[in-house]
Amino acid sequence: DTEVTQTPKHLVMGMTNKKSLKCEQHMGHRAMYWYKQKAKKPPELMFVYSYEKLSINESVPSRFSPECPNSSLLNLHLHALQPEDSALYLCASSQDTRDAYNEQFFGPGTRLTVL
Amino acid sequence: AQSVTQPDIHITVSEGASLELRCNYSYGATPYLFWYVQSPGQGLQLLLKYFSGDTLVQGIKGFEAEFKRSQSSFNLRKPSVHWSDAAEYFCAVGGGDYKLSFGAGTTVTVRA
Repeated sequence: DTEVTQTPKHLVMGMTNKKSLKCEQHMGHRAMYWYKQKAKKPPELMFVYSYEKLSINESVPSRFSPECPNSSLLNLHLHALQPEDSALYLCASSQDTRDAYNEQFFGPGTRLTVL
Repeated sequence: AQSVTQPDIHITVSEGASLELRCNYSYGATPYLFWYVQSPGQGLQLLLKYFSGDTLVQGIKGFEAEFKRSQSSFNLRKPSVHWSDAAEYFCAVGGGDYKLSFGAGTTVTVRA
């Protein structure tokens, strides 16, 4: 299984809502990533988990809260988002973060719209 | 710091014609280079990668790329484009840790 799955595929939420994005991989990877991608732009790294511990937070606002319950799952909890947070949120995984040949496998993304 | 430049924002090509997408990188040591493709509303799919060895790399969907250290380039090519190749293409460079630096992307339109 070389697939990263993400749910939901689409999400519409108001600025006062709390919602979560989910990501799952069964490749035995120990590194997982959240990216944000605006239309016609490259993905921007948000968070990196390495061996279930948060290792990188790219100065992301606290209204985004990541969680890694186990080595296969990655969540992104959303609260009090702004309309400018509307984007495609991509999850990725790789064997780990240490190897130079750090091939990342991407999920299909969650299209988030904040009203 | 590593960086990637994709000089072409948008390329239009006729179906059956050849395609070449340019990628220039900046990195102080041996780069690890990737080409990803993204169809509208989808995630990124890895087309091919270069770590070492043969500088001509074969990928999926009939794509190939050539690493030229002297030109700091990693251009992507396909001899005959299909309508399904219409997508966004991202070149990326990795430098030995978690960080992938992506280029701005090139949008490919295929006309019949």
